[in-house]
Amino acid sequence: DTGVSQNPRHKITKRGQNVTFRCDPISEHNRLYWYRQTLGQGPEFLTYFQNEAQLEKSRLLSDRFSAERPKGSFSTLEIQRTEQGDSAMYLCASSLDQGGQPQHFGDGTRLSIL
Amino acid sequence: SQQGEEDPQALSIQEGENATMNCSYKTSINNLQWYRQNSGRGLVHLILIRSNEREKHSGRLRVTLDTSKKSSSLLITASRAADTASYFCATAISGNTPLVFGKGTRLSVIA
Repeated sequence: DTGVSQNPRHKITKRGQNVTFRCDPISEHNRLYWYRQTLGQGPEFLTYFQNEAQLEKSRLLSDRFSAERPKGSFSTLEIQRTEQGDSAMYLCASSLDQGGQPQHFGDGTRLSIL
Repeated sequence: SQQGEEDPQALSIQEGENATMNCSYKTSINNLQWYRQNSGRGLVHLILIRSNEREKHSGRLRVTLDTSKKSSSLLITASRAADTASYFCATAISGNTPLVFGKGTRLSVIA
């Protein structure tokens, strides 16, 4: 399967702990996006990369959140000092860099904060 | 913030019937996309329609776009139980900017 892969699928942690998620995009896709989705809502944009450059960050992305894409391939999203409100599904998507391309999503990482 | 608003929020139909979902948005766009999401899974891209297009078809799916009304509709014909999912519209204000999603329509197709 050469789709977008996210690990882990589920993460349960205590409030205050740090967590890191990984996303492996489709190999030829330059663009990589992170979204967050809570129950009953659509995904909300967090940040995105073109190759290794982080091009935009949402105001939703507090200073506890950091994302990297060090070699322009896989990406990691880290949340420090997790809070109850961080509980959500974190979705990664990738796309080609040409205008108006569909985004291909992974199955997400579901984060539960105890 | 979410730009798109899908209507209805939930829709329940019998297998074989058609399902129509509507989406309204607020700002000018480059393209509008429809996605499907099965419970606990990621989103699957269905159709992309550009701002200079009015209608697109893909199999049993038909999408229309009215930029003057800032609205789009997704029609699924001859629905199947496997079409049961949430459907989201998403807009992009330029070519490959991040998508802004609506809250989705939950479709239930009863066999």
